[in-house]
Parts: sequence; C-alpha cells; structure tokens
Amino acid sequence: ETGVTQSPTHLIKTRGQQVTLRCSSQSGHNTVSWYQQALGQGPQFIFQYYREEENGRGNFPPRFSGLQFPNYSSELNVNALELDDSALYLCASKKTSGSSTDTQYFGPGTRLTVL
Amino acid sequence: QKEVEQNSGPLSVPEGAIASLNCTYSDRGSQSFFWYRQYSGKSPELIMSIYSNGDKEDGRFTAQLNKASQYVSLLIRDSQPSDSATYLCAVNRYVQFYFGTGTSLTVIP
Repeated sequence: ETGVTQSPTHLIKTRGQQVTLRCSSQSGHNTVSWYQQALGQGPQFIFQYYREEENGRGNFPPRFSGLQFPNYSSELNVNALELDDSALYLCASKKTSGSSTDTQYFGPGTRLTVL
Repeated sequence: QKEVEQNSGPLSVPEGAIASLNCTYSDRGSQSFFWYRQYSGKSPELIMSIYSNGDKEDGRFTAQLNKASQYVSLLIRDSQPSDSATYLCAVNRYVQFYFGTGTSLTVIP
C-alpha cells in the first residue's frame, strides 16, 4: 500500500453531468498529480498541484479542473462529461524536494463510466 | 513522435526465464526514469527508478539506462507467474511524468 487513497472506487455518470473525484496524499507528500488512463493505454497526465497551486498541465480541456487543500489532499472536477471521459482516474503523490529523483506513488484509482 | 515508446507485446516467457522489457524516450531533457507494474484492474505500482547511466539491481529486477541512446530497459530474472502484468515505462521531465502504453507480460508455469 502506498498510503495514497482515492474515493469513490467506482462511479457511473451520464453524459453532460459533472463529477468530483477525491485524493488523499501519502503522509509527508506535498504534491499531487492526476492522470487519466483509458483502457489499454498508459496514464495520461492531467495536471499537478503543489502548495495549492496548479504548476503543470497536460493536454486536457478546461472542463478538467482541480484543487489542492492545505492538508495536501486534492480534488479533480470534470464538467460536461463526455463518453470518452470513461477511464480509470489515478492520483499520485510525491514529496517535491527540487530533485529530479522525486518519485511518485499512485492511489488505487477511481473507475469512471460515462453513459 | 510519442514521448515514450515501449516494445510491442504481448510478451510470453516460461517460468524461470529472463523477461526483457524495453523502452525508448524522445526528449534528451528527461531526467529520471521509472518502471511500474500494473495488474489488471489495479493502479500502477513502482518497481524501479533509475537516474544515471548504467545498471541498477533490486532483487530479481535490473533496470538499465543509456541516455546517449535514449533507452531504458527492465530485466526480470527467474520470472514467476506472479510477474504476469503490464509493465509501464515512465520518464520524468520537470513537472510531468510521461508514460508508455505498457507491455503485457505473461509468465507461463
């Protein structure tokens, strides 16, 4: 176990709805990243939060947004859900020390199905 | 060109054999390199990290990095059926981690 937790485990939504996914980082970690993993693909970077600010973003539209809280937990919000948003959403946490050796650890993921 | 490419699978090896997994990356600015294992329906689990050229061994696993060739590999010695999973290569450049699509490994008892 990595100490990174995510909720909920599974979620079913319909097209056009909005969803919020949650992540608690491992103790001592100050950085959270979110990934989308479609079936048969590798994880795709959505964005990263460090000290409550977004400090990196992948090629995802603005309807994907997030927050990081003072306790370093995080939320991923997706608005106007589309069928292609169906995927495993992964949260990863790490302690950013400024070193290139910073390693991230994944939570168990949230499986989102959009009907 | 994809940031990270992995050798196409699936890969099947008999129990006790050496499994070899390969990965290339496109950006010479990539700073650190990782191998994750992912069982079906589960999240990726870190196996190895490597940061400098050469080999790094951890138990039955050996990661190899060649920055000049932009190449990372993972060797699994004495493969076990429990090693059957998808192996993801990831590279880190500044903030972002880039993942390959993964190589599916099956170890046949």
